[in-house]
Amino acid sequence: SAVISQKPSRDICQRGTSLTIQCQVDSQVTMMFWYRQQPGQSLTLIATANQGSEATYESGFVIDKFPISRPNLTFSTLTVSNMSPEDSSIYLCSVYGPPSYNEQFFGPGTRLTVL
Amino acid sequence: TQLLEQSPQFLSIQEGENLTVYCNSSSVFSSLQWYRQEPGEGPVLLVTVVTGGEVKKLKRLTFQFGDARKDSSLHITAAQPGDTGLYLCAGVSGGGADGLTFGKGTHLIIQP
Repeated sequence: SAVISQKPSRDICQRGTSLTIQCQVDSQVTMMFWYRQQPGQSLTLIATANQGSEATYESGFVIDKFPISRPNLTFSTLTVSNMSPEDSSIYLCSVYGPPSYNEQFFGPGTRLTVL
Repeated sequence: TQLLEQSPQFLSIQEGENLTVYCNSSSVFSSLQWYRQEPGEGPVLLVTVVTGGEVKKLKRLTFQFGDARKDSSLHITAAQPGDTGLYLCAGVSGGGADGLTFGKGTHLIIQP
């Protein structure tokens, strides 16, 4: 399986500020995915990050609020901009990994609290 | 929009009992994955089911994919406190290069 790390693991931020979350994979992958998990809830897909092109956002998520970078095949960042308390969630990245590449593996998540 | 209905949402049972979690949809998925998530961690993949009617066993856990590939179930036999966690089903549509559609999850507590 793919090994995925995320930084930071958690943060507490003030309303109106922005936070950039990093996701590092131990192998080269074509697509990386960003999810949000609100407190006590399941996961919702935010966007798909492709290397060399703009990210594709799901309904309800926009680039101005959640800009994504994908500079190479092992790394991606998600920024949560102009944060409000409603953005308090766990943010997770995932990839389709070996051996079959039809199974998604997740990072440990970044727990964000906005005051 | 494809939806996955997962039930029950909460389940608290005694150690040694059996339980079943259901995941249903009106849409067809190319595959369905089951995850288990513990507090402070990301979801950990338990199994992927691909073929309609497929049954997979993982120790005391039995996973089944419906014949029409629209529903799945997870059955746990003789539950143990270590089985406590959030169980998530997630569907893959299309060619498998898309993000996952998750059910709402089942919060399972096994009491000793």
